[in-house]
Amino acid sequence: NAGVTQTPKFQVLKTGQSMTLQCAQDMNHEYMSWYRQDPGMGLRLIHYSVGAGITDQGEVPNGYNVSRSTTEDFPLRLLSAAPSQTSVYFCASRPRTVSDTGELFFGEGSRLTVL
Amino acid sequence: KNQVEQSPQSLIILEGKNCTLQCNYTVSPFSNLRWYKQDTGRGPVSLTIMTFSENTKSNGRYTATLDADTKQSSLHITASQLSDSASYICVVSARETGANNLFFGTGTRLTVIP
Repeated sequence: NAGVTQTPKFQVLKTGQSMTLQCAQDMNHEYMSWYRQDPGMGLRLIHYSVGAGITDQGEVPNGYNVSRSTTEDFPLRLLSAAPSQTSVYFCASRPRTVSDTGELFFGEGSRLTVL
Repeated sequence: KNQVEQSPQSLIILEGKNCTLQCNYTVSPFSNLRWYKQDTGRGPVSLTIMTFSENTKSNGRYTATLDADTKQSSLHITASQLSDSASYICVVSARETGANNLFFGTGTRLTVIP
């Protein structure tokens, strides 16, 4: 069981370039989310989705776009990268059923550096 | 305002020693509290969950406590091992129907030295 898979693990971009961080889960979880983790600031929610075709903004959504065309995939797009987006990004999922206890299942992270 | 605060920010202990990490929260209405362990370069993994009615729960050498009256939780690690070196994150769930109901602490960075 792969769980939550993120690609790439590492990426270096120049300011103004665009890229997509991929996230896939095989647990049939309805809820998927993207977080960024910066030193001293903890995990901050960027965008989340409660099901295919439904997305919403989190705490720090500016500069990022998402879409959810299938239950399994939730890509995060940076349209014009900025140095302030240098961070470690985590994708996480959880069920939205009666068995939901709030446990998030995280991917291994994607470390992004914007020069 | 819903907040989660952890202390200390970082901690260095000798292998074999015990330590206690703290988590204070103001999240309301409270649903549950989770402790996650995050190894360097990895994603966080849930260690234990505490619900309103639970005071203490153990998971091997990890023991979590919850005082719902004072809104405090602790994570006690017994006989520490080098593999305990990690960040420990406290996450509190609010009892709401919305999806965005999780509140994160900034974590405690634990380093166990030989």
